[in-house]
Amino acid sequence: GEKVEQHESTLSVREGDSAVINCTYTDTASSYFPWYKQEAGKSLHFVIDIRSNVDRKQSQRLIVLLDKKAKRFSLHITATQPEDSAIYFCAATNYGNEKITFGAGTKLTIKP
Amino acid sequence: EAAVTQSPRNKVAVTGGKVTLSCNQTNNHNNMYWYRQDTGHGLRLIHYSYGAGSTEKGDIPDGYKASRPSQENFSLILELATPSQTSVYFCASGDAGDQDTQYFGPGTRLLVL
Repeated sequence: GEKVEQHESTLSVREGDSAVINCTYTDTASSYFPWYKQEAGKSLHFVIDIRSNVDRKQSQRLIVLLDKKAKRFSLHITATQPEDSAIYFCAATNYGNEKITFGAGTKLTIKP
Repeated sequence: EAAVTQSPRNKVAVTGGKVTLSCNQTNNHNNMYWYRQDTGHGLRLIHYSYGAGSTEKGDIPDGYKASRPSQENFSLILELATPSQTSVYFCASGDAGDQDTQYFGPGTRLLVL
């Protein structure tokens, strides 16, 4: 089955700088890659996704890049703010597949 | 008006006891999921369901059963709880198709002594 590896378990950046979280996946059939955010003591919520028919997607300060050849995708958070501090999970699945495989999570800390 | 709710939010159980975790969703989603979250493992899928009456095994189903009596409700059952099942459990709902987003409940913290 699909395996998703999240390369950074922790990441610390200064407020205003950019943060990059990298993930790789194993199943070449995967076509949908969502990202979820979990703030301290809370549940997860969806933040952004990318599908395999594009290689870049932006939503405000969030940018997702997808490299299908390398089976790699990444989340870029620009102009970081304190409220960006959270655990971020990458995930992968096939279109229409009911199961999503999550990475282990990256704890992002924004330093003042 | 939270769309996915879980009960209880916290539970202490004894080894060998039976534990039932409940989940309710008002999203009218066909699919529901149970995950556990452990440090270093992220979220791992235990069971999921395509709709009322259906349950499917996820990636780590051993020691767990699931029940989906209705569109809205999905339960996770630990017949004989073990300390290794101490974890935070999340329920989620979602629909396959063009938008695969899953919506998560607040989580249940389970401690098995």
